[in-house]
Amino acid sequence: AQTVTQSQPEMSVQEAETVTLSCTYDTSESDYYLFWYKQPPSRQMILVIRQEAYKQQNATENRFSVNFQKAAKSFSLKISDSQLGDAAMYFCAYRSERGSQGNLIFGKGTKLSVKP
Amino acid sequence: NAGVTQTPKFRILKIGQSMTLQCTQDMNHNYMYWYRQDPGMGLKLIYYSVGAGITDKGEVPNGYNVSRSTTEDFPLRLELAAPSQTSVYFCASSQTRGARDTQYFGPGTRLTVL
Repeated sequence: AQTVTQSQPEMSVQEAETVTLSCTYDTSESDYYLFWYKQPPSRQMILVIRQEAYKQQNATENRFSVNFQKAAKSFSLKISDSQLGDAAMYFCAYRSERGSQGNLIFGKGTKLSVKP
Repeated sequence: NAGVTQTPKFRILKIGQSMTLQCTQDMNHNYMYWYRQDPGMGLKLIYYSVGAGITDKGEVPNGYNVSRSTTEDFPLRLELAAPSQTSVYFCASSQTRGARDTQYFGPGTRLTVL
């Protein structure tokens, strides 16, 4: 079974600085996607960025980028120029390309605080 | 376009009561999911459906039932509520089960069982 581990329960960053959130996962599959979701206090789950396992190039979305290390099974999220609105819970998630269910498997999350 | 909607937003139940959490999506998606999120944890799959009339258990199905009579609706039924079911419940949908396909989430229902 696949597992996702986020080892940082809480992180803090100064506004305008850069922060990196860590995620590791365990799988025996070769075809999968990895995701970072943001959950603000409103509870809404918001997709931040996704990475296809077969792509070597790291995904980027504006101020958000990932460092995907397939051999190490590592998938970290870098937030540049942090803004107050980035404060939220961040969840790393895995989705199998071949699984019959199609569900997401989530880590426990990292709570990010942004200091003005 | 409303996406995935859930009702109610909040609910308090007494031990032993029953209730149905409603979920509706207007994107004509085949796949629908129910997750629960316990404090300090990620989301865990309760039940899922691959289309009208077809449902199956996820990781934590005990104490819940689902049905899918239409493409749009996927209600989650709690029978004999217990304090262990205090959680935030999320409904989600996607067109396929493929990992490439975006999974859209509803706003969640916060349930407290006292």
